[in-house]
Amino acid sequence: KAGVTQTPRYLIKTRGQQVTLSCSPISGHRSVSWYQQTPGQGLQFLFEYFSETQRNKGNFPGRFSGRQFSNSRSEMNVSTLELGDSALYLCASSLDMGQGNSPLHFGNGTRLTVT
Amino acid sequence: AQKVTQAQTEISVVEKEDVTLDCVYETRDTTYYLFWYKQPPSGELVFLIRRNSFDEQNEISGRYSWNFQKSTSSFNFTITASQVVDSAVYFCALSALRGGYQKVTFGTGTKLQVIP
Repeated sequence: KAGVTQTPRYLIKTRGQQVTLSCSPISGHRSVSWYQQTPGQGLQFLFEYFSETQRNKGNFPGRFSGRQFSNSRSEMNVSTLELGDSALYLCASSLDMGQGNSPLHFGNGTRLTVT
Repeated sequence: AQKVTQAQTEISVVEKEDVTLDCVYETRDTTYYLFWYKQPPSGELVFLIRRNSFDEQNEISGRYSWNFQKSTSSFNFTITASQVVDSAVYFCALSALRGGYQKVTFGTGTKLQVIP
């Protein structure tokens, strides 16, 4: 079974630009979550999608948005990039059978550098 | 509110030493689940173990063991005879069902360096 796939692995953007990151979950997983990881802040939850609906959102500005498609693939978009957006963005999928106990399966992440 | 505390930011041990990574949690839920994940330098977090709040049995898997103590709200992780390949960041996480969805809270992680 293929794991969680994130593309691209690396991105270099300039301040003010926008970026779109992609995540393909494990087949059969309907829940997709996004996290931002920085050395100083650890893992910060961005949002979670289930069956194309955003169910939960972290404390990030509106420049961060996402969506999920009918095949469970997900994208996140960051507009008007700032230097502080430089981070490793991790996507995780889970089966989520409604019991609150599903392990998260992570991709390798997208390393975004904003210059 | 859920909270997970991993007080050890970084630990260095010499190969073959035993090491314990601490995890303390806070929750008001009666049913909850605890996890450990490993993040090697490649970046991908790997799921290691899950325990539910009703199962306090310790678990051993090879050189890895986990000690869940509800009385102290702790879920500690011990690596016996550490190896260089164990060098990684380890995250403890807590999840529970909230409003129909799974809410996950991660600790800040403990970076383990195993020196050859």
